[in-house]
Amino acid sequence: GAGVSQSPRYKVAKRGQDVALRCDPISGHVSLFWYQQALGQGPEFLTYFQNEAQLDKSGLPSDRFFAERPEGSVSTLKIQRTQQEDSAVYLCASSLYPDREETQYFGPGTRLLVL
Amino acid sequence: AQKITQTQPGMFVQKKEAVTLDCTYDTSDPSYGLFWYKQPSSGEMIFLIYQGSYDQQNATEGRYSLNFQKARKSANLVISASQLGDSAMYFCAIKGYQKVTFGTGTKLQVIP
Repeated sequence: GAGVSQSPRYKVAKRGQDVALRCDPISGHVSLFWYQQALGQGPEFLTYFQNEAQLDKSGLPSDRFFAERPEGSVSTLKIQRTQQEDSAVYLCASSLYPDREETQYFGPGTRLLVL
Repeated sequence: AQKITQTQPGMFVQKKEAVTLDCTYDTSDPSYGLFWYKQPSSGEMIFLIYQGSYDQQNATEGRYSLNFQKARKSANLVISASQLGDSAMYFCAIKGYQKVTFGTGTKLQVIP
């Protein structure tokens, strides 16, 4: 079946612009994670959804970052008034269940460049 | 709170040789999972291997094995018979309840 997909793959934004990044998880996967990966670093946790419920948003760097998953499938990460430090790859991952042993499957990422 | 430490920013290995990538962790969760991912230059994160905190035996997946020493809080990845296609960044990660924490990664380069 299809894996996790993300769109757009690349996004260039002018500072101050709002952006929306989309994630389509594997069908039926309950858990969905968003990560931010800066150049040369490991992914940093942003937020976690179990179905439509956002259970953990402790990694969101500021109130300019907002994520939703209204129907428990597709998720959108929105960044308002983008800043240069928001430039990174944004990764989405899903897993079938929330259990600790469930493998996360990653999408290809959205590379965001803020000028 | 959970933390992953990967102390090797870069490693070289000769083709067909084995290599060990180090990972130590810290967590307050009594139950957790440890994962290794590979990230080639193309950027995708590829799942390699998983070890549960209560698993008695070390995990193996083909050429990958995980040397799990719970008392030392280490979960080293062993790649046997290295291939040129193994050149990539390798990330260790710990998954507790709801949250996943990644290390800073090790860049592995396989020499022909």
